[in-house]
Amino acid sequence: SQQGEEDPQALSIQEGENATMNCSYKTSINNLQWYRQNSGRGLVHLILIRSNEREKHSGRLRVTLDTSKKSSSLLITASRAADTASYFCAPVNMDTGRRALTFGSGTRLQVQP
Amino acid sequence: DVKVTQSSRYLVKRTGEKVFLECVQDMDHENMFWYRQDPGLGLRLIYFSYDVKMKEKGDIPEGYSVSREKKERFSLILESASTNQTSMYLCASSLFPETLQETQYFGPGTRLLVL
Repeated sequence: SQQGEEDPQALSIQEGENATMNCSYKTSINNLQWYRQNSGRGLVHLILIRSNEREKHSGRLRVTLDTSKKSSSLLITASRAADTASYFCAPVNMDTGRRALTFGSGTRLQVQP
Repeated sequence: DVKVTQSSRYLVKRTGEKVFLECVQDMDHENMFWYRQDPGLGLRLIYFSYDVKMKEKGDIPEGYSVSREKKERFSLILESASTNQTSMYLCASSLFPETLQETQYFGPGTRLLVL
């Protein structure tokens, strides 16, 4: 299955702390995407990391990719209450011919003010 | 900015009713998708379309059909709503189907309750 599995399922931290969530997958990939979903809303694309990249930054977000371990991590630094959301990874393997992303159940992040 | 809109945020229907969920995108995207999201099950792909009048089944198409008569509009149809179709429905669009190297843009979702 191309689906990523996010870990932990839920995470609660204090404002200002860093939040780390992980994604594991089973097949080889071409890229991996991270999305955020605020409660009761649609998903919003955060970042895409390609298989030949090891690390990527976007503002307070840092994504790493370890293709040998088939895993990725999303780090949010200096978290804010507004970061409270669910976070999803979507690994992409174009060899499957699948034209749609596959999402897992996500990590629910709660940032306490 | 890409905008994907869905016709309703909340919908309450009765078992057996025919239900239409509408999705419109304003960025001339080729691809449009319908997912449903249930607690513990993540997002599951119902159907997607890569061109007008073209559609492909996703992972859970049973009980659903779709229509794409115009490029910007993708409709999900529940022919005879059942209580197990109570869910959050998310529409998405993206530009190119072949590479999956780019973003999917999601609508705000429709929370459907079937009584």
